[in-house]
Amino acid sequence: DAGVIQSPRHEVTEMGQEVTLRCKPISGHDYLFWYRQTMMRGLELLIYFNNNVPIDDSGMPEDRFSAKMPNASFSTLKIQPSEPRDSAVYFCASSRLPQETQYFGPGTRLLVL
Amino acid sequence: AQSVAQPEDQVNVAEGNPLTVKCTYSVSGNPYLFWYVQYPNRGLQFLLKYITGDNLVKGSYGFEAEFNKSQTSFHLKKPSALVSDSALYFCAVRDRGPTNSGYALNFGKGTSLLVTP
Repeated sequence: DAGVIQSPRHEVTEMGQEVTLRCKPISGHDYLFWYRQTMMRGLELLIYFNNNVPIDDSGMPEDRFSAKMPNASFSTLKIQPSEPRDSAVYFCASSRLPQETQYFGPGTRLLVL
Repeated sequence: AQSVAQPEDQVNVAEGNPLTVKCTYSVSGNPYLFWYVQYPNRGLQFLLKYITGDNLVKGSYGFEAEFNKSQTSFHLKKPSALVSDSALYFCAVRDRGPTNSGYALNFGKGTSLLVTP
């Protein structure tokens, strides 16, 4: 298996622009998680899906953030409009069952200027 | 609420010496505990987990961790450190059942391990 795939790996954009991050989970994994990593706050859960349905989005910082999972093999995290404080590494992870190991993608390093 | 504490920001050890990276946890029930490693500019890689059974868990790359319920700890250990073990290590916990945050993991802030030749 290719593991969790994320794109792009790096994104540099200007404040106010829309940013879309993409994730392809491991095939057969029913749970998908979006995390954000910053120096100040460490790893934070933003949202997670079960069978393509958002279960908990309490970690989404603001209405500027939105996430979708249109099918079992694809999810997006969108920031519109982006701000410099959104600069972070965004990770996607998936697991087959909730109690099982979450496998992480390589992350998207976002820099908002 | 569930949480994890990694009390050391950095651990330095000489190659060949044993290493320990500390982790303590807090959950309302019985925990699932995980260790992940992150190399520079890479994603998190799973090392090992404790679900149930033996308190000593063996994982990848010669690492092991001991679950201690009375001390609510899950310290990561390796008998003989390698320079290539230098990385950022994260401990994570979640309750066995769904919590207010569902099935998400709570991560510690990470401990930077530096193994010197």
